[in-house]
Amino acid sequence: DADVTQTPRNRITKTGKRIMLECSQTKGHDRMYWYRQDPGLGLRLIYYSFDVKDINKGEISDGYSVSRQAQAKFSLSLESAIPNQTALYFCATSDLGGLGGYTFGSGTRLTVV
Amino acid sequence: DQQVKQNSPSLSVQEGRISILNCDYTNSMFDYFLWYKKYPAEGPTFLISISSIKDKNEDGRFTVFLNKSAKHLSLHIVPSQPGDSAVYFCAASDKGGSEKLVFGKGTKLTVNP
Repeated sequence: DADVTQTPRNRITKTGKRIMLECSQTKGHDRMYWYRQDPGLGLRLIYYSFDVKDINKGEISDGYSVSRQAQAKFSLSLESAIPNQTALYFCATSDLGGLGGYTFGSGTRLTVV
Repeated sequence: DQQVKQNSPSLSVQEGRISILNCDYTNSMFDYFLWYKKYPAEGPTFLISISSIKDKNEDGRFTVFLNKSAKHLSLHIVPSQPGDSAVYFCAASDKGGSEKLVFGKGTKLTVNP
């Protein structure tokens, strides 16, 4: 099994719908992150969490919310999806003090029509 | 304002030759730099990193060079192989590598047989 698992892998949803992207990890890391990737824009941070009780906004948090249900689970919600939220979404984890950076999931490709 | 810049969206090299991917940063507080490699339909994977106390780090065919005065780093791949064809992201952190990473937009490397 993958260290960081994202579900679903692909999703098409309609404008205005609520959608949740889920992430679970078996790394035992405290820190979890949600990024989105858009063509030509690289990876941009949406939200991050350094432990279960700690949630922080990233550079592009508008239109998104998150929930850290447990150390191993971090979900991203789009309350009312819009077409410009069409992107590839990545969850990542990191170890406090680690020098290897992040471990990423395989991504969720979200299309809002 | 973009803090980590990869100004070349793409690079094409011949198998066996050297690939040089470049990255510039603007935030002088960055003290840890990483390169990630991303294949289609997969999440980014950690490749190599360097701390600001060093100017070179080598791992097999991959070497990262850091020029702090110029706020520039580069990734050298020697010799390049077709399997190296991927998108390469440069990332930087100001807290030793486990805090929030700021990513560049990526450079797509194509190694031709």
